[in-house]
Amino acid sequence: DTEVTQTPKHLVMGMTNKKSLKCEQHMGHRAMYWYKQKAKKPPELMFVYSYEKLSINESVPSRFSPECPNSSLLNLHLHALQPEDSALYLCASSQGGSGISSPLHFGNGTRLTVT
Amino acid sequence: SQELEQSPQSLIVQEGKNLTINCTSSKTLYGLYWYKQKYGEGLIFLMMLQKGGEEKSHEKITAKLDEKKQQSSLHITASQPSHAGIYLCGADTPGGGSNYKLTFGKGTLLTVNP
Repeated sequence: DTEVTQTPKHLVMGMTNKKSLKCEQHMGHRAMYWYKQKAKKPPELMFVYSYEKLSINESVPSRFSPECPNSSLLNLHLHALQPEDSALYLCASSQGGSGISSPLHFGNGTRLTVT
Repeated sequence: SQELEQSPQSLIVQEGKNLTINCTSSKTLYGLYWYKQKYGEGLIFLMMLQKGGEEKSHEKITAKLDEKKQQSSLHITASQPSHAGIYLCGADTPGGGSNYKLTFGKGTLLTVNP
């Protein structure tokens, strides 16, 4: 069982909807990540939070808005998405801050479909 | 930017056979990670390598990092159907300032036939 929990597992939303993806970890990790994965492609980094502060934004469109309320929680707020945003969204956490080499632990992802 | 090349792209083996997956970097690797992914699921961390010549094993899986720290291999001994999945190598790459980010190769799809 993964120690990074993502909800919901599946989400279908229209292009005018607002929804949020949630991620939670209780391993005491100080860095948290959002990745996007399209079918048959490797995960692509979207955002990194280190010690609850946004440290990396990979030029992600503003219709994706991350939030880190505390060290255990990470949200991704979605608004006015496009059908091409349909993908598997993966959350991950790691022990150190983003400047330290340590393995990422991934959740099982949220399968997002935009209609 | 650092690019990771994985080979082969896909691999079909008979149960019980050994196999090797390779990951080559265009730049020196400072942290090399191996992950396994079942379709539509999250990534499972397998091993992390940092030192040139380092080798780690877990059950029937062995990962190595060459002395020059530009190539890694993942070897599975006596493969089983449970080994099937997508194997991804990942590397720490500069993310700006003191930040590093994990970027992945394109993956190797392993099928193990019983």
